[in-house]
Amino acid sequence: DAGVIQSPRHEVTEMGQEVTLRCKPISGHNSLFWYRQTMMRGLELLIYFNNNVPIDDSGMPEDRFSAKMPNASFSTLKIQPSEPRDSAVYFCASSLGHGYTFGSGTRLTVV
Amino acid sequence: SQQGEEDPQALSIQEGENATMNCSYKTSINNLQWYRQNSGRGLVHLILIRSNEREKHSGRLRVTLDTSKKSSSLLITASRAADTASYFCATVLISNFGNEKLTFGTGTRLTIIP
Repeated sequence: DAGVIQSPRHEVTEMGQEVTLRCKPISGHNSLFWYRQTMMRGLELLIYFNNNVPIDDSGMPEDRFSAKMPNASFSTLKIQPSEPRDSAVYFCASSLGHGYTFGSGTRLTVV
Repeated sequence: SQQGEEDPQALSIQEGENATMNCSYKTSINNLQWYRQNSGRGLVHLILIRSNEREKHSGRLRVTLDTSKKSSSLLITASRAADTASYFCATVLISNFGNEKLTFGTGTRLTIIP
């Protein structure tokens, strides 16, 4: 298995632009998580899905952030419009209930 | 928001020594997990301990859990340079509907000096 695949690995965008981050979980895993990591706030849970259904999105910072999971093999995290304070590393993780497998992350820089 | 607080924030030891990191949390949990993160990389799952377990071993790793004190510790024995990384504890709460929520602590930055 190739593990959790995230794309792109790096994204540099201008303030105000729309950004879409993508994640392909491990086949068969029924839970998917989006995290954001910054030096100031550490690892923050943004949203998680169980069987493609959003369960808890209380960590989504504001309405500019949205996440979807249209099927078991794909999820997106969208930021529109992006702001410099959104700069962070965004991780996707999937699980079948015994330990979580993380992707390599997307490093987002908003200038 | 952070569920766990880790102590110390940073730790430097000589290669071959043992490293101990502690984690405290605030709410009831179903299990607690430890992860390692090398600089610029994703997190790697190390070990999981359930709320009804008190101690667990995996290779050079030893994890303890004290649910009465809401704390856990990770011991790495005979440390190696390759153990240099950040270590995070993460608590898991399973809802009545069976949904899991994994929340991370603040992490300990471990440096092994060759």
